[in-house]
Amino acid sequence: KQEVTQIPAALSVPEGENLVLNCSFTDSAIYNLQWFRQDPGKGLTSLLLIQSSQREQTSGRLNASLDKSSGRSTLYIAASQPGDSATYLCAVSNFGNEKLTFGTGTRLTIIP
Amino acid sequence: SAVISQKPSRDICQRGTSLTIQCQVDSQVTMMFWYRQQPGQSLTLIATANQGSEATYESGFVIDKFPISRPNLTFSTLTVSNMSPEDSSIYLCSVLDGYNTGELFFGEGSRLTVL
Repeated sequence: KQEVTQIPAALSVPEGENLVLNCSFTDSAIYNLQWFRQDPGKGLTSLLLIQSSQREQTSGRLNASLDKSSGRSTLYIAASQPGDSATYLCAVSNFGNEKLTFGTGTRLTIIP
Repeated sequence: SAVISQKPSRDICQRGTSLTIQCQVDSQVTMMFWYRQQPGQSLTLIATANQGSEATYESGFVIDKFPISRPNLTFSTLTVSNMSPEDSSIYLCSVLDGYNTGELFFGEGSRLTVL
């Protein structure tokens, strides 16, 4: 059974700093990995999708990497802004299964 | 990307009542899912909404408690039946990208509080 872990559960950094969020998974036979952002009480916004054959994806100030062999993904946020404050969730799907297994999320606070 | 609308966005309900949540997508999609997010928790899949047939429920979720309809490829409903305070959660509709990328998109969620 796939398990997804995100550490730390919460992170506070000053505005302008670069930061890295971590995601680990136990079953490396993944189809893809997706990073989401969730604002309090709201739905999820898809940030980046990495297919199993890819090593990284970039969108603006965000860069996500994938290392299947070690069961890890990172989300790098450059030049953080207060508007980046949210909970970030990673989720993986395994081959032959469209269902996503979600991590517990990292709550990020950017301090102005 | 698909645009997903959910109604209601939030509601306060009395114990023992039932509430139906609607999910409307702006394009035809094959796969639709319903998730639950309890306070302070991550997302748990309730069921896959199948067009023209009964939904496929995950372990721990049953049709009597969470009946789901999927009359066409753009619409689905989830009913939370005989609610108790433990059902207080955000309920989220999601769809799988129609271009086979495997990307999942979510609605804004329906936040239910049961008194």
